[in-house]
Amino acid sequence: DGGITQSPKYLFRKEGQNVTLSCEQNLNHDAMYWYRQDPGQGLRLIYYSQIVNDFQKGDIAEGYSVSREKKESFPLTVTSAQKNPTAFYLCASSPGTGQGEQYFGPGTRLTVT
Amino acid sequence: AQSVTQPDIHITVSEGASLELRCNYSYGATPYLFWYVQSPGQGLQLLLKYFSGDTLVQGIKGFEAEFKRSQSSFNLRKPSVHWSDAAEYFCAVLYNNNDMRFGAGTRLTVKP
Repeated sequence: DGGITQSPKYLFRKEGQNVTLSCEQNLNHDAMYWYRQDPGQGLRLIYYSQIVNDFQKGDIAEGYSVSREKKESFPLTVTSAQKNPTAFYLCASSPGTGQGEQYFGPGTRLTVT
Repeated sequence: AQSVTQPDIHITVSEGASLELRCNYSYGATPYLFWYVQSPGQGLQLLLKYFSGDTLVQGIKGFEAEFKRSQSSFNLRKPSVHWSDAAEYFCAVLYNNNDMRFGAGTRLTVKP
């Protein structure tokens, strides 16, 4: 089965701790994306990567970091600098940027208290 | 900045009734247009897409959408809504081959 997996489904952290969200795809897609979703605000782009070892900031990158060491994997770290980290995080991939639709993972709900 | 507007935050329709969800986008060179659906706590699933050609596109689950360049709109329609269609619907526009913008979403409630 081809697709995108995100783990865990639910994540709880204390304020001040960094946390890493996992995203893996076996679709052989070049491009990968991280979005944040808050009620009533749609999806906002955090980071995206067009190829391995390359990534660009999206609209709301502050307080987040990413890496792209493998084509299949694009983990997102939510750092303690992110002022309001509690949200639903969605990972997506596409064959390339600008090459059609994005395919989404099931999401990770992060709660920071 | 480019933007996508879904004017209706929440729509309630009766099962079996027709449905139209509105989407408008800020002007740009012919964009790529999408509609996604999201069930609570889940990822987004693609319903349909428009890249070029026939401006009326068919999607999965009996949905269709019509691209109207003059109105910068891409409204989603379904002739007869089923209870399982209750979900949140997002319009998305891909600008300049590199900038995907999403609307804020429309939550659909289906009355029995």
